[in-house]
Amino acid sequence: EPEVTQTPSHQVTQMGQEVILRCVPISNHLYFYWYRQILGQKVEFLVSFYNNEISEKSEIFDDQFSVERPDGSNFTLKIRSTKLEDSAMYFCAIKQGATSNQPQHFGDGTRLSIL
Amino acid sequence: AQKITQTQPGMFVQEKEAVTLDCTYDTSDPSYGLFWYKQPSSGEMIFLIYQGSYDQQNATEGRYSLNFQKARKSANLVISASQLGDSAMYFCAMRAFYNQGGKLIFGQGTELSVKP
Repeated sequence: EPEVTQTPSHQVTQMGQEVILRCVPISNHLYFYWYRQILGQKVEFLVSFYNNEISEKSEIFDDQFSVERPDGSNFTLKIRSTKLEDSAMYFCAIKQGATSNQPQHFGDGTRLSIL
Repeated sequence: AQKITQTQPGMFVQEKEAVTLDCTYDTSDPSYGLFWYKQPSSGEMIFLIYQGSYDQQNATEGRYSLNFQKARKSANLVISASQLGDSAMYFCAMRAFYNQGGKLIFGQGTELSVKP
């Protein structure tokens, strides 16, 4: 059983629309991450989230993107005014503690298709 | 800046044989961790093995082992006794420990095909 569940598994949206991708860990975790993978390319870091605030973000994570943990469990990525180039697989990852050797565990991803 | 390089876009191996997937990295951070992930065609990312920069021994996890050569900045994944189910993309990733959040930096990946 995966440590984190992502919904939806596939999202098709018209360009310019807003999308919200959701991530639900099965137990308490301290660190949350979003990554994206454009088809055929490597996985790219978007943002990390710790103690209810962003701890680091990449150049990709501009004003179009936002993250929040509204109810203490769900972790969401919102993409406003989507563009064709936002089409990608979006992965949520979690890490339970601060120990350096702890791996990040990934959800199964949400495939986002912008038309 | 950190960088991960995987120079083998694709690899073939015969079932039951061993295979080595190459990974070299570049970082100025004194403390870091190296990770390997497997991505089957279904798309999920599965953690395989971890090596810390100060670990004295090479990491092993079942059929997976890591050939860590710190001076050469390489962390090659060795899969022994390949199985058909090992066919997948394999990503090497690195995390610096200068902050606790610790984003992962990924390489381009190697597509492994296991032949029966």
